[in-house]
Amino acid sequence: AQKVTQAQTEISVVEKEDVTLDCVYETRDTTYYLFWYKQPPSGELVFLIRRNSFDEQNEISGRYSWNFQKSTSSFNFTITASQVVDSAVYFCALSEVDQFYFGTGTSLTVIP
Amino acid sequence: GAGVSQSPSNKVTEKGKDVELRCDPISGHTALYWYRQRLGQGLEFLIYFQGNSAPDKSGLPSDRFSAERTGESVSTLTIQRTQQEDSAVYLCASSRGQARGYTFGSGTRLTVV
Repeated sequence: AQKVTQAQTEISVVEKEDVTLDCVYETRDTTYYLFWYKQPPSGELVFLIRRNSFDEQNEISGRYSWNFQKSTSSFNFTITASQVVDSAVYFCALSEVDQFYFGTGTSLTVIP
Repeated sequence: GAGVSQSPSNKVTEKGKDVELRCDPISGHTALYWYRQRLGQGLEFLIYFQGNSAPDKSGLPSDRFSAERTGESVSTLTIQRTQQEDSAVYLCASSRGQARGYTFGSGTRLTVV
């Protein structure tokens, strides 16, 4: 079974639109961590955020915001007023005690 | 160094040859992962090292793949008798622990011709 599901394979938006990337996870652990990574066309993986399972507060960092809901096992990522530089593949990941799982990624294209 | 270093950055090899990929994790990082990413695809888990524990090899796709790590230092991923389907970017990541996040190297792009 897929531990981390990113149902959106590809998304295209026009610059300045808001976009939300979905992430649903599955775990039986009570302590776990959730991550988002960005992979721009250059290929490197850039860490964006880490959230632990005990902290359900939403987080905002500039144009980025994350909505963590344990009740629905979701950790969604919203980019406000998207820019062309946001075009990348975004990966959601789950860290349990002894394993780290990635979703299959969502490819975001921001059209100028 | 400040980050995870992988070498070579690019490798072109002939089908049937063996290749060795190297990962230098951040000093002090006990956990080390290898992932494979085929063109346009997601990240495929290969192997996980945690300190001196036995590695989790459950992601290795065939017995042509093997990896070693000495203590908490360098890791090498070896692919024997390479096939064209082995062409991918091989990414290494290290971490000080579950809560600390993972730092990725820039990857080795392997092309088997």
